[in-house]
Amino acid sequence: AQKITQTQPGMFVQEKEAVTLDCTYDTSDPSYGLFWYKQPSSGEMIFLIYQGSYDQQNATEGRYSLNFQKARKSANLVISASQLGDSAMYFCAMREGLTGANNLFFGTGTRLTVIP
Amino acid sequence: GAVVSQHPSRVICKSGTSVKIECRSLDFQATTMFWYRQFPKQSLMLMATSNEGSKATYEQGVEKDKFLINHASLTLSTLTVTSAHPEDSSFYICSASAWAVSYEQYFGPGTRLTVT
Repeated sequence: AQKITQTQPGMFVQEKEAVTLDCTYDTSDPSYGLFWYKQPSSGEMIFLIYQGSYDQQNATEGRYSLNFQKARKSANLVISASQLGDSAMYFCAMREGLTGANNLFFGTGTRLTVIP
Repeated sequence: GAVVSQHPSRVICKSGTSVKIECRSLDFQATTMFWYRQFPKQSLMLMATSNEGSKATYEQGVEKDKFLINHASLTLSTLTVTSAHPEDSSFYICSASAWAVSYEQYFGPGTRLTVT
């Protein structure tokens, strides 16, 4: 079974609008971390936001927020006030365990295009 | 955040030759380094996990004799693609973790390998 599922291959959003990128995950480990990365055309992986499985509050980082619904095993990324520079691939990832000792499992990604 | 470098950023080599890619953590000691491969328009797939001073753990389907990984120090890991073939052409990305002190994985900028 896929550990991370991103069902939106591509998304379009109008500049200054908000957009939600979907991510569901599958694990039996009670301790895990969820990540979102942005990958522009240059290829670098840019860390956006992190949510630990025991975190009570949804994570927020500037214009990024993570809508963590543990019972549904979903970790959607919300980008508010979209900017043209937000156009990129976005990957959801999960690590089992709460330290950095284990690898990340990545979803297939969502290509976001911001329309002026 | 922490900085991870990769060298070279791009390399073109002839079929049958070997190429070495370096991954360095510049401002922290990386207890674990991960090597991922990303084919065009696809997600990142873990190739191997390496801990300083011990042999790398390879994922199923990744040939350890073809993709030699050395993690000789806490700041340097190398991936050598031996007897490269055109199908090895890909984007190789390393990440580094100081898992005792942080949940984060820090990604290098990636190396684009083209085998002709």
